[in-house]
Amino acid sequence: SQTIHQWPATLVQPVGSPLSLECTVEGTSNPNLYWYRQAAGRGLQLLFYSVGIGQISSEVPQNLSASRPQDRQFILSSKKLLLSDSGFYLCAWSRTGVTEAFFGQGTRLTVV
Amino acid sequence: GESVGLHLPTLSVQEGDNSIINCAYSNSASDYFIWYKQESGKGPQFIIDIRSNMDKRQGQRVTVLLNKTVKHLSLQIAATQPGDSAVYFCAENGNYGQNFVFGPGTRLSVLP
Repeated sequence: SQTIHQWPATLVQPVGSPLSLECTVEGTSNPNLYWYRQAAGRGLQLLFYSVGIGQISSEVPQNLSASRPQDRQFILSSKKLLLSDSGFYLCAWSRTGVTEAFFGQGTRLTVV
Repeated sequence: GESVGLHLPTLSVQEGDNSIINCAYSNSASDYFIWYKQESGKGPQFIIDIRSNMDKRQGQRVTVLLNKTVKHLSLQIAATQPGDSAVYFCAENGNYGQNFVFGPGTRLSVLP
């Protein structure tokens, strides 16, 4: 069966510090991968998606970047965090084609 | 840009009653829709999906209705239980199925 792992679960970082959130998927190959951000009490905003290694599409210009160094690994990064980067970050995967996405448990990021 | 929205941000229902959560979408080219359930502090969980060649699909205690004429999607939950309390999101496939566009969510509260 397929599983998705996302870590850490919670993170408190000072303004101006770097960020690295990692997401890995097991049990499937060549998945579509996604990073979403969710502000408190709000919907999901798509940040990045990837259809293959090294292929990253950005949906919203921001202080963040994403990389996919391996087929089942998706990393969300920032060189210098802003207060506005606080939120709940969700990684997700889907099979190629029009199918449902499966979400990780999320990372609660607080920038102080 | 294209977006998916919700008519009701909050919904309170009595335990045992049926719940109806509504969603309006604006991209007439969308051909795949999903309902997700998100409990506090967790990632969204897939509930049910429907493709545009259907107008109704049933699962266990849940039914999704799709009205392409008015671009409206609804989720019906039969005999609502306390465990159904969560935020519910509708989503549509965007960009040729390579990503998903989520609505802002509806919080469902089940009253004893």
